[in-house]
Amino acid sequence: SQQGEEDPQALSIQEGENATMNCSYKTSINNLQWYRQNSGRGLVHLILIRSNEREKHSGRLRVTLDTSKKSSSLLITASRAADTASYFCATDGDSGNTPLVFGKGTRLSVIA
Amino acid sequence: GAGVSQTPSNKVTEKGKYVELRCDPISGHTALYWYRQSLGQGPEFLIYFQGTGAADDSGLPNDRFFAVRPEGSVSTLKIQRTERGDSAVYLCASSQWDGREQFFGPGTRLTVL
Repeated sequence: SQQGEEDPQALSIQEGENATMNCSYKTSINNLQWYRQNSGRGLVHLILIRSNEREKHSGRLRVTLDTSKKSSSLLITASRAADTASYFCATDGDSGNTPLVFGKGTRLSVIA
Repeated sequence: GAGVSQTPSNKVTEKGKYVELRCDPISGHTALYWYRQSLGQGPEFLIYFQGTGAADDSGLPNDRFFAVRPEGSVSTLKIQRTERGDSAVYLCASSQWDGREQFFGPGTRLTVL
């Protein structure tokens, strides 16, 4: 079963705008990760945030985590057409190498 | 450094047939995972190996599904008596022993006619 829910399910923006995607999950976590997927094939790891972290940056990506609300957000600044993809949040348990539990994803379209 | 590879990239089979899907993890990664992704959904966990043994197979939907990793590297997912509902993209991922980041392969798209 899916752990989390991404919101919105689909998002369409103009190139240069910022894109914000949200993720909610149900159980306690150790880490939360965001992945990107093009054309329904392999996933690319974007960023990992630990449960004791509140915010993390990587290039044009900014991730926040609120464990009290069991939610996370992914912000992509200055979006590009190449950012068009599906974005998934994934959570893991509190021991090493546990399987990831994914949400259903947000489909982002960036229009040039 | 090669990433995770999966073969075949596409597999079309008929209902009732047997299929094998192969995953080559990143060299040195001890953990290997299989996920299944249906259209419009996120990946769902099937089975996880730590070394040669299946550490968690709770995601396998039924006994038609089986996976092996005999030498702790390459893994094969085996599906017997395929059904149309088995059609999906099957994703493999690997990670280091203490790694949190899982590296995914490109997937195998299975179509059961």
